[in-house]
This record gives sequence, C-alpha cells and structure tokens, in this order.
Amino acid sequence: QVQLVQSGAEVKKPGASVRVSCKASGYTFSSYCMHWVRQAPGQGLEWMGMINPSGDSTTYAQKFQGRVTMTRDTSTSTVYMELSSLRSEDTAVYYCARADSGYFYLIDYWGQGTLVTVSS
Amino acid sequence: DIVMTQSPDSLAVSLGERATINCKSSQSVLSSSNNKNYLTWFQQKPGQPPKVLIYWASTRESGVPDRFSGSGSGTDFTLTISSLQAEDVAVYYCQQYYSTPVTFGQGTKVEIK
Repeated sequence: QVQLVQSGAEVKKPGASVRVSCKASGYTFSSYCMHWVRQAPGQGLEWMGMINPSGDSTTYAQKFQGRVTMTRDTSTSTVYMELSSLRSEDTAVYYCARADSGYFYLIDYWGQGTLVTVSS
Repeated sequence: DIVMTQSPDSLAVSLGERATINCKSSQSVLSSSNNKNYLTWFQQKPGQPPKVLIYWASTRESGVPDRFSGSGSGTDFTLTISSLQAEDVAVYYCQQYYSTPVTFGQGTKVEIK
C-alpha cells in the first residue's frame, strides 16, 4: 500500500533553515509528483509547491519563491523540502502529498505531517 | 489565483441527518478539453492528515462510504453527507487543481448537534 513517512518534529530559531523528508513506498516512486502543503496551528491548508517525477522541474507558490527548495532522491525514494529564513509565522505542520500519475495536481495520498516550530 | 470559498464555516447536524457543504471557485474549474471539473473534497480529523473523499467533483474515492457524495460544475460545488455518523465529525476542505497555485477552501467544521 502507498505510504509516505515523514521525518520527525523540528524546533528551529528564527533565521534558520529546516529540511523535512518524505520517504515513499508501495508504488513506483519515479512516476508520481510530490507536493508540499502546510497547515499553521488551527488554520487551513496552504500549498507550497511541487516537484515532478524526474526531479528536474519544480513549481513553487509565489509566496515561498526564493525560500523553498524541493528535491528528490530516486535511489532512496525520498523527497525533501527545505525552507530557509524561518520566521515565527512558519510554525506549522508540513505535509508531503502524492499526486496522481496522470494529473500532476490531483493529490491522492498524504504523509503523516511534520511539525516545525520556529521559536527563539 | 483561483479563490475557493466554502460555506458555512461550521455546521452542527443531528446524527442521521443530512449535512451540506458548499464550495465556490472564483473562476471555472471545468476543463473544456475533457469535460471534467478539477475539484477534490478532503476530510481532516483532529491530529490526522487530510483524506481524499471525492475527486473530479463527484467521483468517490475507493473505500469512502456512499453517504458521501459530490456534485456541481463550473464554479459551484456541494459535498453532501446523507446521514451523518459520529465518525464524520471533521473539517472538510475543497481544493481546485485546475491551475497553479493549487488552492483550498478555508474549511468547514462539521459537528454533532
């Protein structure tokens, strides 16, 4: 069965960077896109961007342009999301989410989420 | 960006009664090339990631109870829970995948009256 297992919770200071990983299993990793979506405490869902199946193309939400980098390692079936210049407003649960092989933006499976806390 | 607006923000429904959630997009998410509406409904329970209920506006995900149904086209969509069960208490989100950025509604919290 499809599984997306994310790395554990992180606590970071303002100005620092964080890298969250998402290890996929149960499907052909190189055939699907991966999205990242975040959710601030008690708030809704916010799309951050996506990386294509081969890893050579990314699309980022304008809000995160210049601060976010998404990469993927086919050898370990893992996708990474790095967010830099962290501020308190970046405190949120970060989710990876797989997209359908035929439609790159049709999200079908989600990771369990990773809480990132930004605090001095 | 396509803005997704849900209504109401919350609703309380008696067990066994119908719950209806609306979602309106600021522009059409209906593709003329394949006549499909690029809209998904998610359910999120506390402490859990979202779960797909409905995609293509009306296609129920495998394993989702048939009391959940989606309807609508173009810019106006509805998620209906025909007979609310205790396990349906959650926040429900609509999401468009017609164009980037992917955008979500603000969520609708469903509770038991």
